[in-house]
Amino acid sequence: GNSVTQMEGPVTLSEEAFLTINCTYTATGYPSLFWYVQYPGEGLQLLLKATKADDKGSNKGFEATYRKETTSFHLEKGSVQVSDSAVYFCALWRSYGQNFVFGPGTRLSVLP
Amino acid sequence: DTGVSQNPRHKITKRGQNVTFRCDPISEHNRLYWYRQTLGQGPEFLTYFQNEAQLEKSRLLSDRFSAERPKGSFSTLEIQRTEQGDSAMYLCASSLSRGPHEETQYFGPGTRLLVL
Repeated sequence: GNSVTQMEGPVTLSEEAFLTINCTYTATGYPSLFWYVQYPGEGLQLLLKATKADDKGSNKGFEATYRKETTSFHLEKGSVQVSDSAVYFCALWRSYGQNFVFGPGTRLSVLP
Repeated sequence: DTGVSQNPRHKITKRGQNVTFRCDPISEHNRLYWYRQTLGQGPEFLTYFQNEAQLEKSRLLSDRFSAERPKGSFSTLEIQRTEQGDSAMYLCASSLSRGPHEETQYFGPGTRLLVL
């Protein structure tokens, strides 16, 4: 079946630190991969996506590269800010079922 | 673009009661999704509509759950004879789908249900 695994949180960093949140997936075929972010009190928002192997998604300083050989889509940012504090969800798109499979989420707290 | 809205934002009910949630998608979006999210977990797919047709239902959607999208615009999710295990955040999302490939879903803020 399809599943997404993320590193457990919470992750606590100081401002300007480097961020990595690991994400690996199990899927049939070659799904599209996404990162969604949920800020406190708000709905999930698309952060970035990649639709095929070796694609790199990027947005707001965040990046993730679709690695088929390791079935991974790790999220990175070179210098985090306090405003990046949120919960980050990795997800894959089931094209034959037409819906998302989400990971459990990783809470990030960035301290000033 | 007013975004996806959900009402109510919070609902407290007693076990055995029926509850109904409403979702208003972005106006031109043809797809509408319902998800359930429990504490510390990611959203789990429940069902989705393309216009007014309900095209897929998850095994999570027991026969106590029913969803409608009567005119292809807003949708309602009803839970009958609520149980404590139904306590969760219920999320709605909408998208404009032009084919079978991935699409950007826009999520509402959710309705948090607590069953006592």
